[in-house]
Amino acid sequence: DTAVSQTPKYLVTQMGNDKSIKCEQNLGHDTMYWYKQDSKKFLKIMFSYNNKELIINETVPNRFSPKSPDKAHLNLHINSLELGDSAVYFCASSDRDRAVGYTFGSGTRLTVV
Amino acid sequence: AQSVTQLGSHVSVSEGALVLLRCNYSSSVPPYLFWYVQYPNQGLQLLLKYTSAATLVKGINGFEAEFKKSETSFHLTKPSAHMSDAAEYFCAVTAEGGGGADGLTFGKGTHLIIQP
Repeated sequence: DTAVSQTPKYLVTQMGNDKSIKCEQNLGHDTMYWYKQDSKKFLKIMFSYNNKELIINETVPNRFSPKSPDKAHLNLHINSLELGDSAVYFCASSDRDRAVGYTFGSGTRLTVV
Repeated sequence: AQSVTQLGSHVSVSEGALVLLRCNYSSSVPPYLFWYVQYPNQGLQLLLKYTSAATLVKGINGFEAEFKKSETSFHLTKPSAHMSDAAEYFCAVTAEGGGGADGLTFGKGTHLIIQP
């Protein structure tokens, strides 16, 4: 059973389009995150949600909007896609006790052409 | 605020040699520290973690790391490298304790190359 699953795994789209990436976790964790990994492999947190409430919102363009319908799901909507949005996006989740650790999904490779 | 510095964006070792990947952290509060590995075109897999228990931590695939508060370091080692260890390695930090929704702050990663 996949603990943190993301769909789609690959996403190729044109500039200006709107797209969504879905994430689901079956670990019973309270907190979910979105990270962006750029072409140099640097990982940076974008958002975190705790029990459906937005906690962290880093300096991300407002074209990016997370949506959490329940604590097991955290989706990422991106409007008006730009070339610079091309990256790998990782979903992750963690327990309230961070000593348990953070579990990552397998990533979504977004390519904007 | 927390940060992680990984010395060496690329490290090359011979198969069978010692692997040493360096990680130094900065944190205003007691840290939890993690090492993750990323194989090509895959996600992040947890290798090991320090969460204020034993300072010498053993992980999967024969890796271990030692937390040294005086040196603010959490270096990753493996006695004998295998070809299958070739991957990107990330050190990460978060604040100790439960509650809240603090994410991980990552270092820039070290690409480990294994020479036959």
